[in-house]
Amino acid sequence: AQSVTQLGSHVSVSEGALVLLRCNYSSSVPPYLFWYVQYPNQGLQLLLKYTSAATLVKGINGFEAEFKKSETSFHLTKPSAHMSDAAEYFCAVSDGGGNKLTFGTGTQLKVEL
Amino acid sequence: GAVVSQHPSWVICKSGTSVKIECRSLDFQATTMFWYRQFPKQSLMLMATSNEGSKATYEQGVEKDKFLINHASLTLSTLTVTSAHPEDSSFYICSARDTGSQPQHFGDGTRLSIL
Repeated sequence: AQSVTQLGSHVSVSEGALVLLRCNYSSSVPPYLFWYVQYPNQGLQLLLKYTSAATLVKGINGFEAEFKKSETSFHLTKPSAHMSDAAEYFCAVSDGGGNKLTFGTGTQLKVEL
Repeated sequence: GAVVSQHPSWVICKSGTSVKIECRSLDFQATTMFWYRQFPKQSLMLMATSNEGSKATYEQGVEKDKFLINHASLTLSTLTVTSAHPEDSSFYICSARDTGSQPQHFGDGTRLSIL
């Protein structure tokens, strides 16, 4: 069985500040890990994915995430927050790139002036 | 590339009616499509997985007679909520993937409100 834990259901940062959204996973097989962003009343957009290649993954909109097996973590970061980054972020795990996804409970990111 | 279109985006209907939601892959062949349900302020819960030309695989606790899924072609899957009731009101999202290890691409969701 696989699971994902996202610490912090709400994160608030100032515009220009570092964004750090936490994700820890549990998996009995080598995991595939994903970060998705969801804007109100919309579907999910893929930010980035880890598929057992480089442990530091760069995604769209300046986001990146680092896979740390020893910590079973896949935290999402962005050096400088922008107002347009305000959204809900979901971490997800699967046992294959396109297989069934198990989502975390999400983190609502708020960006303040 | 990898665009998934979902229709309608919003539907309001009376209790007891059936509602059909379409999910289309516009620029790729989706051998597998997934249907999710999302309650307000909560995560996505997988309802079922459908492969083109075969019966959908439903997650535990999902009523297959209530939520009918058809995946008749490589670009279209439909979810029909039969005899809908207010407790079926939710945000329904589909996703689709090509073969191999390609990630899932999501539609924009359908907001279903049953009065």
